[in-house]
Amino acid sequence: GQQLNQSPQSMFIQEGEDVSMNCTSSSIFNTWLWYKQDPGEGPVLLIALYKAGELTSNGRLTAQFGITRKDSFLNISASIPSDVGIYFCAGSTSGTYKYIFGTGTRLKVLA
Amino acid sequence: SQTIHQWPATLVQPVGSPLSLECTVEGTSNPNLYWYRQAAGRGLQLLFYSVGIGQISSEVPQNLSASRPQDRQFILSSKKLLLSDSGFYLCAWTSGMEGEQFFGPGTRLTVL
Repeated sequence: GQQLNQSPQSMFIQEGEDVSMNCTSSSIFNTWLWYKQDPGEGPVLLIALYKAGELTSNGRLTAQFGITRKDSFLNISASIPSDVGIYFCAGSTSGTYKYIFGTGTRLKVLA
Repeated sequence: SQTIHQWPATLVQPVGSPLSLECTVEGTSNPNLYWYRQAAGRGLQLLFYSVGIGQISSEVPQNLSASRPQDRQFILSSKKLLLSDSGFYLCAWTSGMEGEQFFGPGTRLTVL
């Protein structure tokens, strides 16, 4: 079946540093989504990507849809304490109504 | 604007008891609806999805069932809960195939 590998699994960074995480798929995706989840809450959509090569920003967040359509990355610039949480990627293939989710990257920011 | 509601927020149930979790979406028509389960510290597992009233697709054979009695209502049920049914249950919706997917606040279920 389809798999999404998300890395790193977890990371500790200093406040103010930039963060990068990525997802790779065994299949071609038509859509990539990036989410942040705080403890005990539902995931919140950060960025949606629909075209290969697309680069989209949302404040300090930037995400790109890989040109092979099998990968995506998320960058967070100048991290702040409230960036703490779990970040998930999700991808969808053509002709389906379903999203495959990555295993998540747990981010901890040291003030 | 669109909003998605789930209730209850938390639930503690004994093994063998029935279950009913409800999800409703406001501000949109004909949404695709989804139920996910998330084990502690883990990713999201798709349980069921629905593209219309009465249409349910099951992803994982299990002790659970889903129903969609109205356009914007999605219900997750069980006749007899197992310990392994404990987890964080999330409802989500999209407005079309491969569109943005939005999640509800979740229900924390503990089966004792």
